[in-house]
This record gives sequence, structure tokens and C-alpha cells, in this order.
Amino acid sequence: GENVEQHPSTLSVQEGDSAVIKCTYSDSASNYFPWYKQELGKRPQLIIDIRSNVGEKKDQRIAVTLNKTAKHFSLHITETQPEDSAVYFCAALDSGTYKYIFGTGTRLKVLA
Amino acid sequence: GAGVSQTPSNKVTEKGKYVELRCDPISGHTALYWYRQSLGQGPEFLIYFQGTGAADDSGLPNDRFFAVRPEGSVSTLKIQRTERGDSAVYLCASSPGPGGTGELFFGEGSRLTVL
Repeated sequence: GENVEQHPSTLSVQEGDSAVIKCTYSDSASNYFPWYKQELGKRPQLIIDIRSNVGEKKDQRIAVTLNKTAKHFSLHITETQPEDSAVYFCAALDSGTYKYIFGTGTRLKVLA
Repeated sequence: GAGVSQTPSNKVTEKGKYVELRCDPISGHTALYWYRQSLGQGPEFLIYFQGTGAADDSGLPNDRFFAVRPEGSVSTLKIQRTERGDSAVYLCASSPGPGGTGELFFGEGSRLTVL
């Protein structure tokens, strides 16, 4: 089955700097890759996603890139702000089983 | 309601007891998922429903765990003979289903503590 690995587990950046979180997946049948942000004690919420027919997608300060050949995808946050501090999860959707497999999460801390 | 609703939000029980956790998905969403999230970990897949049937229950850890969705809407996760290792936040999520956007909409979760 699908396996998703996520790095780093924790990341501290200065306010205004960029943050990059990387994930790899194992199943080439996966075709949808969402990123979720989870604040302490809250539900995970989708912040950006990408499908396998696209290499990059951007939404204001957030972007996601996908390399299907290498089976990895990354989240890029530019001009980080304190409110970006949260745990971020990547996930992969297996198009055959409709099962979403999540990474282990990255705790991002933006230092003011 | 506008979002996914889960009850109870908090459940404290004793080892060996039976527990039911309820999920009310977004109206019209055919796909419903249960995940378990332990402290500092990502959501761990338990089971996926498409309509009334369990399309994939490969994530249920053992036969103490069971879930139903009899009318294709509300779902109940049932845990028998609870163990301390079952303590976690149980997240429910719904999605429009095959052909939809793919976005999972999560509930706030049910925090289960087994003493």
C-alpha cells in the first residue's frame, strides 16, 4: 500500500523567511496530493492541493511542486508570518482505493 | 449544519468498556473516512465508506474496532473492550466522493481517553 514520508518533523524560521516541507510517496497510482494545516486543538484544514497532471500550483504565499518521476512533492511558504505557525501534513490519494494516506507532520514555528 | 460534526468531543472511559463515536458528515457527501491521530502523529487511516458500504477497512487495527454507516449519512465507530493504547483523537472526514474535488473536510474530532 501507499506510504508517505514527510520531512522535517520540526522547522523554525524567522518571520519573513521561506519554509519548505518535503514529502515522498511510494505508490505511482496516487494522483492527488493535498496539504493540510492543523492548529493546536483544531481540525486539519486544506490549504493547497495538486493533481498529478500538474507540476506546480501557487496560491498567494503558498506553492506546491510535484515531481512524479521522483515521487516527491513539496510545500513552499514565502514571507512567513507568525500565524503560519502550525503543524502541516501532506497526503497522497490512491486513485484506485480512494484512500488518503498522511505524512507524519511538520511542526512549523515562525519566530517574530 | 455546515461542517462535519463529531460527538462526543471528549470521552473518558475505563479499560475494558465499550465506546461509540458518532460522525455526521456534510450533507450530500457520499465518502466518509475515519482516522486516528495520536499525539505528534499524522492521521492514521482506519476505514473508508462510499455510501453505506465499507469500501476499505484495512486500517482497522483489530476486531475490537467496527464502524457502520447504515443509511449512507451518519457513521458510528465502535470500539469494544477498550485498551489504554486506544487513547487518541478519532477524526472523521467527508468528501463529495468519486469525481468530486478530492478535498477532505474534517470534523473537530473525538478525544478518547482510556484509563
